[in-house]
Amino acid sequence: QKEVEQNSGPLSVPEGAIASLNCTYSDRVSQSFFWYRQYSGKSPELIMSIYSNGDKEDGRFTAQLNKASQYVSLLIRDSQPSDSATYLCAVNPETGANNLFFGTGTRLTVIP
Amino acid sequence: DTGVSQDPRHKITKRGQNVTFRCDPISEHNRLYWYRQTLGQGPEFLTYFQNEAQLEKSRLLSDRFSAERPKGSFSTLEIQRTEQGDSAMYLCASSLVFAPDTQYFGPGTRLTVL
Repeated sequence: QKEVEQNSGPLSVPEGAIASLNCTYSDRVSQSFFWYRQYSGKSPELIMSIYSNGDKEDGRFTAQLNKASQYVSLLIRDSQPSDSATYLCAVNPETGANNLFFGTGTRLTVIP
Repeated sequence: DTGVSQDPRHKITKRGQNVTFRCDPISEHNRLYWYRQTLGQGPEFLTYFQNEAQLEKSRLLSDRFSAERPKGSFSTLEIQRTEQGDSAMYLCASSLVFAPDTQYFGPGTRLTVL
């Protein structure tokens, strides 16, 4: 069973703070990792992908990957109320695999 | 808008009825995926197509479920003899064949079985 674990939250941060979202995965051979944002009642929206150990930055978002620890995180700098959503971690378990395994998501609330 | 589209957006049906959902992928995407998402859970993979060929099916896809992509463009997902446990959001996603894990989701069809 390939598992992706996230703290369901809710995680509350004040506006302007850094929000840190964490995800662990069970399959050591997992190759690629994704963060999706999902607003209530809407579909998931891809916001970040990361394939190599280290950090990847895109605007206010930074994804961090540590394959040895089987850990991937998402940092949101200068959090805005519009960032309030559920953040889903998704893992492609192996090269050529055709489906993503998702965690249950972490609900983030940014307090104005 | 050239994103993934799904129809209908909402469907309410009575237990035992059949329902069919449609997905139109991003036009140049040859891979199409169906996922199911229940409240408080992440999406769960159901099946995927490359062009018109259905190449993988999850064990979640019971024999009451059938999916088609007859011309390699839009896809349909049919659920026969619906049960209350089928109530969920049905999500369609698409990708390019050389970037299969970069999947873009449609708005979903929310199914409620009474």
